[in-house]
Amino acid sequence: GNSVTQMEGPVTLSEEAFLTINCTYTATGYPSLFWYVQYPGEGLQLLLKATKADDKGSNKGFEATYRKETTSFHLEKGSVQVSDSAVYFCALKDYGGSQGNLIFGKGTKLSVKP
Amino acid sequence: IAGITQAPTSQILAAGRRMTLRCTQDMRHNAMYWYRQDLGLGLRLIHYSNTAGTTGKGEVPDGYSVSRANTDDFPLTLASAVPSQTSVYFCASSGHAGEGNIQYFGAGTRLSVL
Repeated sequence: GNSVTQMEGPVTLSEEAFLTINCTYTATGYPSLFWYVQYPGEGLQLLLKATKADDKGSNKGFEATYRKETTSFHLEKGSVQVSDSAVYFCALKDYGGSQGNLIFGKGTKLSVKP
Repeated sequence: IAGITQAPTSQILAAGRRMTLRCTQDMRHNAMYWYRQDLGLGLRLIHYSNTAGTTGKGEVPDGYSVSRANTDDFPLTLASAVPSQTSVYFCASSGHAGEGNIQYFGAGTRLSVL
């Protein structure tokens, strides 16, 4: 079945450090891929997405490239800020499935220290 | 536009009691979802509805029921709560294929069953 595996946290970085959060997926069809972010005490909100191979999603300085050959969608940011502290979820939506819901990774908690 | 509204924001419930978590969206989205979020497990789908009048079971449906009488409302009912249902519950909705089927989340309901 479809699944998403992302690196376990927590991840602790200093401000202005480079961030990578790894995400790999298994899917039977041609999924769309997403990164969602959850700030403390809030619901999830979409950070970025990519709908086909080699697409690059970007938002707020974060980027992720849909790599079909490695079934990966790693999240990167060149210089993190304290305000980026949150939990990040990788997710996929397989349009070939009957439910149409998202399948989430377990989440990676990021803490950025000043 | 409010988006998705969940109520209550938090609740402490005695085991064996009945509880309904409310979810309302004002985006006229066809699809709605209920997830539970547990530490180390990420988000897991409880039930979903692709359109008003239809519902389906997700990954962890036991002990929960839903109804979808109209487009806007998607309540989740625990008929007889048990401590293992202590969790944070998120309602989400998604719109049209042209929007990339992005899911929008409510702020969550934190439920403690004692």
